[in-house]
Amino acid sequence: DIQMTQSPSSLSASVGDRVTITCRANQNIIKYLNWYQQKPGKAPKLLIYAASSLQSGVPSRFSGRGSDTDFTLTISSLQPEDIATYYCQQSYSTPRTFGQGTKVDIK
Amino acid sequence: EVQLLESGGGLVQPGGSLRLSCAASGFSFSSYAMHWVRQAPGKGLEWVSGISRSGGSPYYADSVKGRLTISRDNSKNTLYLQMNTLRAEDTALYYCASDPVDTSMLLRGYFDSWGPGTLVTVSS
Repeated sequence: DIQMTQSPSSLSASVGDRVTITCRANQNIIKYLNWYQQKPGKAPKLLIYAASSLQSGVPSRFSGRGSDTDFTLTISSLQPEDIATYYCQQSYSTPRTFGQGTKVDIK
Repeated sequence: EVQLLESGGGLVQPGGSLRLSCAASGFSFSSYAMHWVRQAPGKGLEWVSGISRSGGSPYYADSVKGRLTISRDNSKNTLYLQMNTLRAEDTALYYCASDPVDTSMLLRGYFDSWGPGTLVTVSS
């Protein structure tokens, strides 16, 4: 199975800050990396697919980059409604595996 | 509006069975691969199983292989998960999710819509 490792596990930032979350795969997954946002008590929501494609309806302050084994999710200007846990997930091979999550809150 | 609604969760004893359902509406169900993803209390997300849009290609996580069976009825716009020989470690919130990419071995896709989940608790 492909192992996905996110860093950091949690972070606190101020409103307006630029926030970056990293996801690393233990083997090459080309560009088959997706990002999800999960707010407390809610189902996950797709933000980014195929490493850098923004899902319809997702604010443009969210962006994704990377290829092969190293990927990032960036929030260009953190907003209060972005408080959530963020997960990366690979779809290069079955089983689809997720990172352990990065919890983001407001400082 | 796309809607996925899971049902069938509940409290079951170890070794017992449950059948989860996921009713889909607002999109062309038969054009999407479908998946089950679970989340144990306070834990992260775990992919459980996926099935092609035709229903002919199911895939499972090793942790559930031989005990859980995914299926779908495109005439009823419904996804199912038959859960047998349940264990305490199967306790989780079970989500169904749609995947617009239907490829061999269900690769390259993403979960573009999710239901609110149904809770399965395995305990004596």
